[in-house]
Amino acid sequence: AQRVTQPEKLLSVFKGAPVELKCNYSYSGSPELFWYVQYSRQRLQLLLRHISRESIKGFTADLNKGETSFHLKKPFAQEEDSAMYYCALLSTNSGYALNFGKGTSLLVTP
Amino acid sequence: ETGVTQSPTHLIKTRGQQVTLRCSSQSGHNTVSWYQQALGQGPQFIFQYYREEENGRGNFPPRFSGLQFPNYSSELNVNALELDDSALYLCASRATSGHYGYTFGSGTRLTVV
Repeated sequence: AQRVTQPEKLLSVFKGAPVELKCNYSYSGSPELFWYVQYSRQRLQLLLRHISRESIKGFTADLNKGETSFHLKKPFAQEEDSAMYYCALLSTNSGYALNFGKGTSLLVTP
Repeated sequence: ETGVTQSPTHLIKTRGQQVTLRCSSQSGHNTVSWYQQALGQGPQFIFQYYREEENGRGNFPPRFSGLQFPNYSSELNVNALELDDSALYLCASRATSGHYGYTFGSGTRLTVV
């Protein structure tokens, strides 16, 4: 089965602290993985895609095929990072639609 | 980038009724997907259309159906509404070339009473 697991429902950190949002996946083959973010009262928007290996808003994510993980990291959290974060896998079972995890709510407190 | 617009934003229906939700994608986005997002959950894939034909479906019953039109608009139809159909319904679209990144609409909040 092609599945995404985000084990943490809620993650609370202080401003300036490092952040790691966990994402594990199950997929046979070469996965295509994404992180989407949803700020309060805004639409879901693409944050990162693993194939581009870019850094957006200070966030990075590395694909670890050995551990089947795609954790999202930021060295110094900011209050404006507070949002829902969803890890998603491009699923070949469904015409290349996205298979989402349940999401992690990140709260950054001053 | 707004790209994808959905209507209506909110809707209240009675159990057993039928509902049609609409989505307008940006020009060139010939793939459109629909998702159901229940409260506190991640989006769940309903189905996907490519060039007006369904090319993928998630674990949803046949009473969830759709259409895609040549002008990059699409519809999600749900028959015989049930209370559990209450959710945020998201439309997402992409062009076939490129990195497969989807652009999402703001969603339609459906409440079934």
